[in-house]
Amino acid sequence: DAGVIQSPRHEVTEMGQEVTLRCKPISGHNSLFWYRQTMMRGLELLIYFNNNVPIDDSGMPEDRFSAKMPNASFSTLKIQPSEPRDSAVYFCASSFAGTNYGYTFGSGTRLTVV
Amino acid sequence: GESVGLHLPTLSVQEGDNSIINCAYSNSASDYFIWYKQESGKGPQFIIDIRSNMDKRQGQRVTVLLNKTVKHLSLQIAATQPGDSAVYFCAETGANSKLTFGKGITLSVRP
Repeated sequence: DAGVIQSPRHEVTEMGQEVTLRCKPISGHNSLFWYRQTMMRGLELLIYFNNNVPIDDSGMPEDRFSAKMPNASFSTLKIQPSEPRDSAVYFCASSFAGTNYGYTFGSGTRLTVV
Repeated sequence: GESVGLHLPTLSVQEGDNSIINCAYSNSASDYFIWYKQESGKGPQFIIDIRSNMDKRQGQRVTVLLNKTVKHLSLQIAATQPGDSAVYFCAETGANSKLTFGKGITLSVRP
């Protein structure tokens, strides 16, 4: 298995633009997590899905952030409009819920909003 | 996976010595715990895990200890090597599968 795949690896965008981050979880995993990592706040859970359904989005900073999981093999995190304070590394992780097993992270997307 | 620049506590050890990294967790309902290692430019990498029905688990050169009474988790690394230099995070989860991370500690190995 190729692991959790995220794209793009790096994204530089201008303030006000829409940004879409993508994630392909490990095949067979049924939970998917989006995290944000910054110098100030460390690793923060933004949202997670079980069986493609959003379970807890309390970590999503504000309405500019949205996440979808249209099927078991794909998820997106969208920021619209983006702001400089959104600059961070965004990680996707997947696991097999129910067993709490196999939490595996992708390599992350480094987002810079200028 | 840019943990570089985080103002984290640092543990400095001599190559070959044993390292002990500690973590206090907050949720008494958590029943599964994981240690992750994060190197510069990479995502967190699974090291070892432990469930709440155990108090010790050993892997290759690593041991995790769990003290549920005081909600304390530790990671022991035997014969620390330069390649062990990284940021280490403990994480906890429970029945809701929500994985929550601690602040992280930087391990620096002196040659």
